[in-house]
Amino acid sequence: EDQVTQSPEALRLQEGESSSLNCSYTVSGLRGLFWYRQDPGKGPEFLFTLYSAGEEKEKERLKATLTKKESFLHITAPKPEDSATYLCALQGYGQNFVFGPGTRLSVLP
Amino acid sequence: DAGITQSPRYKITETGRQVTLMCHQTWSHSYMFWYRQDLGHGLRLIYYSAAADITDKGEVPDGYVVSRSKTENFPLTLESATRSQTSVYFCASWDRDGNTIYFGEGSWLTVV
Repeated sequence: EDQVTQSPEALRLQEGESSSLNCSYTVSGLRGLFWYRQDPGKGPEFLFTLYSAGEEKEKERLKATLTKKESFLHITAPKPEDSATYLCALQGYGQNFVFGPGTRLSVLP
Repeated sequence: DAGITQSPRYKITETGRQVTLMCHQTWSHSYMFWYRQDLGHGLRLIYYSAAADITDKGEVPDGYVVSRSKTENFPLTLESATRSQTSVYFCASWDRDGNTIYFGEGSWLTVV
């Protein structure tokens, strides 16, 4: 069964304090690993898709990386506007997408 | 504007009543999904549809019914609402070319 776990459940950072969020997964065949950002009261917003181990993608202060068992979302010098819940999801064979429970990030000024 | 719109955004209903959540997309994506999001469970798939008139169950389908007579619409019906169906419901569509799922803004449902 395809599974996704995320850690930590919640993370508080000071503005400028870099850190990483973890997404661990088990899947029979990975077709894609996704990262989404979700603000309170909103739907998830797409950030990145990664397809193979070693792949990296960047967007502003965010960088996503992928290994055969994990993905990391690195946040460099975060700002308060980066506060949100970050969701990881995997796509195995077929059309189903399995989402993790998310990491709730708070960046304090 | 292009995208996915859900209605109603907020709904309070009583146990046993029928409720329909509407979902409309403007892209003509073939695949559409309904998820529910609860604390501690993340997003869980209720039903999905591969095309008009083709639907299939997801992880938590009990108590829900879907239909898809047109590509752009994918309504979700709770035939007899229960308190356990209090949740936030998200409709989504899959852009297969870009391999990206796009979500609506959510429908907050409270069953009292």
